Amino acid sequence: ETGVTQTPRHLVMGMTNKKSLKCEQHLGHNAMYWYKQSAKKPLELMFVYSLEERVENNSVPSRFSPECPNSSHLFLHLHTLQPEDSALYLCASSQDLTGGYEQYFGPGTRLTVT
Amino acid sequence: AQSVAQPEDQVNVAEGNPLTVKCTYSVSGNPYLFWYVQYPNRGLQFLLKYITGDNLVKGSYGFEAEFNKSQTSFHLKKPSALVSDSALYFCAVRAAWGRNSNYQLIWGAGTKLIIKP
Repeated sequence: ETGVTQTPRHLVMGMTNKKSLKCEQHLGHNAMYWYKQSAKKPLELMFVYSLEERVENNSVPSRFSPECPNSSHLFLHLHTLQPEDSALYLCASSQDLTGGYEQYFGPGTRLTVT
Repeated sequence: AQSVAQPEDQVNVAEGNPLTVKCTYSVSGNPYLFWYVQYPNRGLQFLLKYITGDNLVKGSYGFEAEFNKSQTSFHLKKPSALVSDSALYFCAVRAAWGRNSNYQLIWGAGTKLIIKP
């Protein structure tokens, strides 16, 4: 166990559904991340939060909406997704954003959009 | 542009033989370099990192990596491979990003390591 949990582990949703992914870290870290992992591609950073403040990442479609209510919890709200959004979504945390600290990852949510 | 390259999609090694997984990088400033491993249906696990100091870094599960500044490389190595080392390995480098001097990790595409008995 890495100290980062994610629920659900698997999710199948239609293009008109609304769902949310949840991440919780028990490490006392100040930074949390959402990544998208597609086969044979580098991890794509979607969103970063530092001390509950979102650090802008403008390349993510608006159908993905993050929420960070406190430093231990991170959500990714999904609505009107496309089939190409099917992927493994990984949550991670680190001590801070200075870059010298390693990131700890949750097990991921395998998302399938039908 | 800042980038990480893992030139091999897959590396095959016989159990007991030494293994090397290659990583080269391009980044401005001093590089902070990381290796992570991903087992099937799992998230990524941190293996080791280079920040400063000794160019040979030792990490988890008997892995080590050598930072070579002139070749801009950070290859992952292990003297004797185990079947249980079979997994997906990712190299990453810290890169400056956005406002306020924050940093993110730039990731390689991953190398699948297969250890055959």
